[in-house]
Amino acid sequence: SQTIHQWPATLVQPVGSPLSLECTVEGTSNPNLYWYRQAAGRGLQLLFYSVGIGQISSEVPQNLSASRPQDRQFILSSKKLLLSDSGFYLCAWSVGGGGTQYFGPGTRLLVL
Amino acid sequence: AQSVTQLDSHVSVSEGTPVLLRCNYSSSYSPSLFWYVQHPNKGLQLLLKYTSAATLVKGINGFEAEFKKSETSFHLTKPSAHMSDAAEYFCVVSDLFSGGYNKLIFGAGTRLAVHP
Repeated sequence: SQTIHQWPATLVQPVGSPLSLECTVEGTSNPNLYWYRQAAGRGLQLLFYSVGIGQISSEVPQNLSASRPQDRQFILSSKKLLLSDSGFYLCAWSVGGGGTQYFGPGTRLLVL
Repeated sequence: AQSVTQLDSHVSVSEGTPVLLRCNYSSSYSPSLFWYVQHPNKGLQLLLKYTSAATLVKGINGFEAEFKKSETSFHLTKPSAHMSDAAEYFCVVSDLFSGGYNKLIFGAGTRLAVHP
């Protein structure tokens, strides 16, 4: 069966510091991968999606970037964190573009 | 463009009573619809999905939802609430997108509280 992992589970970072969040999927090949952000009391916002290695599309302009160095690995990064980057970050995967999306456990990021 | 409206931001029920979480959608074609549940500080778990097969969809943990095209609704129900059902529930519609995937449009969420 397929599983999706995210780490770390919780992260507290100072403003201006770098960020790296990792997501890995097991049990499937060539998945579509997604990064979402959930701000406090708000719905989910799609940040990035990827249909293959090295193929990243951004939904909204922001202080973040994403990379997909391996088929089942998706990384969310920032060179300098802002206070507004605080939130709950969720990774998801699907089989192909039309498949149901399955979500990871999330990373809670607090920028102080 | 697709959109989703969850009609209640908060719903409170007593344990053992029925649950109704309301969702209306807007779509120019036959959509795919989903309900996800999120427990505190957890990821989203798929409860059920509608993809143009049977209009009454059964999901996990005793939940079900009925697709009503004439009313553009996809309400989530459960006959008897359990304390463990307390969570936030998201109604989601899948939008066709030419960039290689189906974009998910999320409702704002309904927080379900279950009282003893």
